[in-house]
Amino acid sequence: DTGVSQNPRHKITKRGQNVTFRCDPISEHNRLYWYRQTLGQGPEFLTYFQNEAQLEKSRLLSDRFSAERPKGSFSTLEIQRTEQGDSAMYLCASSQVGTRIAKNIQYFGAGTRLSVL
Amino acid sequence: AQSVSQHNHHVILSEAASLELGCNYSYGGTVNLFWYVQYPGQHLQLLLKYFSGDPLVKGIKGFEAEFIKSKFSFNLRKPSVQWSDTAEYFCAVNAEGFQKLVFGTGTRLLVSP
Repeated sequence: DTGVSQNPRHKITKRGQNVTFRCDPISEHNRLYWYRQTLGQGPEFLTYFQNEAQLEKSRLLSDRFSAERPKGSFSTLEIQRTEQGDSAMYLCASSQVGTRIAKNIQYFGAGTRLSVL
Repeated sequence: AQSVSQHNHHVILSEAASLELGCNYSYGGTVNLFWYVQYPGQHLQLLLKYFSGDPLVKGIKGFEAEFIKSKFSFNLRKPSVQWSDTAEYFCAVNAEGFQKLVFGTGTRLLVSP
């Protein structure tokens, strides 16, 4: 499968613990996005990278959240001191921009479901 | 700020019925429009997209959508649904010059055989 890969698929943690999720984008894609989806809602944008540069962060991304894409390939999203309100599905997407045809079509992974107890 | 409204939260249809799911967005500038589908247990998949040109776009599995700029709408249609169309459907907008997608809250479609 050469799609967007996310690990782990599920994470259960206790309040106050730190968690880290990983996303491997489609190999030739230079943009990588993180979204969060809660029950009954559509995905909400958190942040995105072009290559290794983090170019935009949503106000949803509190100081406890940090994302990296150190070599412009995979990305990690870390949540420190988790709270129950962080329980959600965290989605990663990637896209290839820079060509007329590719435009900004985002392809999504299956997500990491976080449950904070 | 961009926003997307999907007015139908739950839709139940019988097989062979026609489908139309509403999507309205708010943004005054140029937009790219998308419909994504999420089948049970699967990830979000692109159903169809509109960037420019013919406002009637065709996607996979017999779906189509029409962009009506004056109404800020991008409704999804299918003339005859199948049981396998049971899924959640999300409308999304990407304003020109912005990178993020803004999604609606989704519509759960249940097609009974």
